[in-house]
Amino acid sequence: GGIITQTPKFLIGQEGQKLTLKCQQNFNHDTMYWYRQDSGKGLRLIYYSITENDLQKGDLSEGYDASREKKSSFSLTVTSAQKNEMAVFLCASSIWGGAETLYFGSGTRLTVL
Amino acid sequence: GDSVTQTEGLVTLTEGLPVMLNCTYQTAYSTFLFWYVQHLNEAPKLLLKSSTDNKRTEHQGFHATLHKSSSSFHLQKSSAQLSDSALYYCALSDLGGSGNKLIFGTGTLLSVKP
Repeated sequence: GGIITQTPKFLIGQEGQKLTLKCQQNFNHDTMYWYRQDSGKGLRLIYYSITENDLQKGDLSEGYDASREKKSSFSLTVTSAQKNEMAVFLCASSIWGGAETLYFGSGTRLTVL
Repeated sequence: GDSVTQTEGLVTLTEGLPVMLNCTYQTAYSTFLFWYVQHLNEAPKLLLKSSTDNKRTEHQGFHATLHKSSSSFHLQKSSAQLSDSALYYCALSDLGGSGNKLIFGTGTLLSVKP
């Protein structure tokens, strides 16, 4: 079996700060995802990537950048942290996407002061 | 566009009673429907999935049947256990439109009391 590791588990930043969240997977999966989890709003897709150096915007990409420099890693940058985006950010991977199962990490909880 | 609707934000049950969590969806394409479960402080994980119309899918005591005529994929269990308390997400993957993306509902928090 494999694992998805998200770092850090807790991230505290100041309003306006640029913050980076990291995700590593050892499944050797092609597709990786970043979702934002807010209570009552479900999981909303920020970015996904179907292969190394590929980036696809999700419905919530504004205010975020992403980077997939290696197949095993996918990072997300909050370009200017705002208080209304305090949430849990979940990274996931799947073999190729579509109907395949998503495997999730345990999340990074972002707090903006 | 595609969407998934979970009408209950919170379902509170007494242990031993049946569970039914509602999920309806909208899409113009062929679909896979999923239920993911997230226990407290854990990662979401797949509970079950289906793309076959009118076929019951079962896993870990839960079951769901995809009904394309009513665009529904409700999650059921005959007898709730305390350990079933978790957040349940219904999700849709349309095989023609959004491609690799999974679209999630807003989630239903199931709380099972003794």
